[in-house]
Amino acid sequence: DIQMTQSPSSLSASVGGRVTITCQASQDINNYLNWFQLKPGRAPKLLISDASHLEPGVPSRFSGSGSGTHFTFTISGLQPEDTATYFCQQYENLPRTFGQGTRLEIK
Amino acid sequence: QVQLQESGPGLVKPSQTLSLTCTVSGGSIASFTHYWSWIRQRPGKGLEWIGCVFSRGDAYYNPSLESRVTISVDTSKNQFYLEMSAVTAADTGIYYCAKEPDVWGRGTLVTVSS
Repeated sequence: DIQMTQSPSSLSASVGGRVTITCQASQDINNYLNWFQLKPGRAPKLLISDASHLEPGVPSRFSGSGSGTHFTFTISGLQPEDTATYFCQQYENLPRTFGQGTRLEIK
Repeated sequence: QVQLQESGPGLVKPSQTLSLTCTVSGGSIASFTHYWSWIRQRPGKGLEWIGCVFSRGDAYYNPSLESRVTISVDTSKNQFYLEMSAVTAADTGIYYCAKEPDVWGRGTLVTVSS
């Protein structure tokens, strides 16, 4: 299985601020990386696919970059509604595997 | 617009079989070449991919769960299913069905307890 190491596990930031989450794959995943937002009681939401492709309807303050084994996810201009847990997922191989998640609190 | 809804018992006894249904609306399972997945989130842990099934019936499982899991599909009912045998408290969590990566159900909480 491809291991996805995501950090940090949690972070806190202010409205209007910027945060970056990283995801490291145990092998080359050819940019086959998704980023999801998870809120309690809601369906997980796909924000970014192919490492950097912003999904339709997702605000432009969300962005992703990286290739091979190292990826980053950034939220700029944080809003209160960005409070959530964020996960990366590789889809280069089966089984699909996820990072451990990053819990974001907006102060 | 495809939507997914999980259903099934919220409480399962240890050693028994967990059975969940995912009902697909807004589109026919048979019309998609894509696969249909089950994913779970256990308390204090991240997301775990359980497995998937194609509309023709081929299924793939996470090796860590393969011995206990069966995923199947019924295109006539537009549903797919998860069965997990010999459950323990460690299987407690929120179970999601998904048409990866962009369509997910809201999840259903399953508690394993006597």
